[in-house]
Amino acid sequence: AQTVTQSQPEMSVQEAETVTLSCTYDTSESDYYLFWYKQPPSRQMILVIRQEAYKQQNATENRFSVNFQKAAKSFSLKISDSQLGDAAMYFCAYRRGNFGNEKLTFGTGTRLTIIP
Amino acid sequence: DADVTQTPRNRITKTGKRIMLECSQTKGHDRMYWYRQDPGLGLRLIYYSFDVKDINKGEISDGYSVSRQAQAKFSLSLESAIPNQTALYFCATSDHAGGRAFFGQGTRLTVV
Repeated sequence: AQTVTQSQPEMSVQEAETVTLSCTYDTSESDYYLFWYKQPPSRQMILVIRQEAYKQQNATENRFSVNFQKAAKSFSLKISDSQLGDAAMYFCAYRRGNFGNEKLTFGTGTRLTIIP
Repeated sequence: DADVTQTPRNRITKTGKRIMLECSQTKGHDRMYWYRQDPGLGLRLIYYSFDVKDINKGEISDGYSVSRQAQAKFSLSLESAIPNQTALYFCATSDHAGGRAFFGQGTRLTVV
């Protein structure tokens, strides 16, 4: 079974600084997707960024970027120029790529605090 | 209006009571899911459905049942609620391509 590990239960960063959240996963598949979801206090699950395993280029979305290391099975999230609104729980998630296996497996989450 | 709607948003119920959480979606997706979130455990899959006639158990299905009444509706039932089912419950949908899931607003369930 696939597993997703987030080894940092809590992280903090000064406003305007850069922070990196770690995620590793275990799979024997070659075709899959990886995601970072943000959960603010409103508890809504918000997609931050998505990576397709067959793409070597790291995904970016404005201040959010990933470092995808397929061989190492590592998928870290970098948040640049941190803002107060970035404070949230962040979940890393994995999904197999083949048809009929569209289930997400989540890590345990990292709580990010932004220090003004 | 939200694409994925869960009702109720919050619920307190007594041990032994039957309770149903409802989910409806306007995304037109075939795939629907129920997840449970507990502090320190992330989100865990309870049940999922890939179409109206297809229901599958997830990793923590014991004590739960589901019903897929239509493509747009997927309900989760607790037949006899117990305190350790106190959690935040999420419904989600996805299509078979693209990969991303869309989540409802969550239901905070407390069993006393």
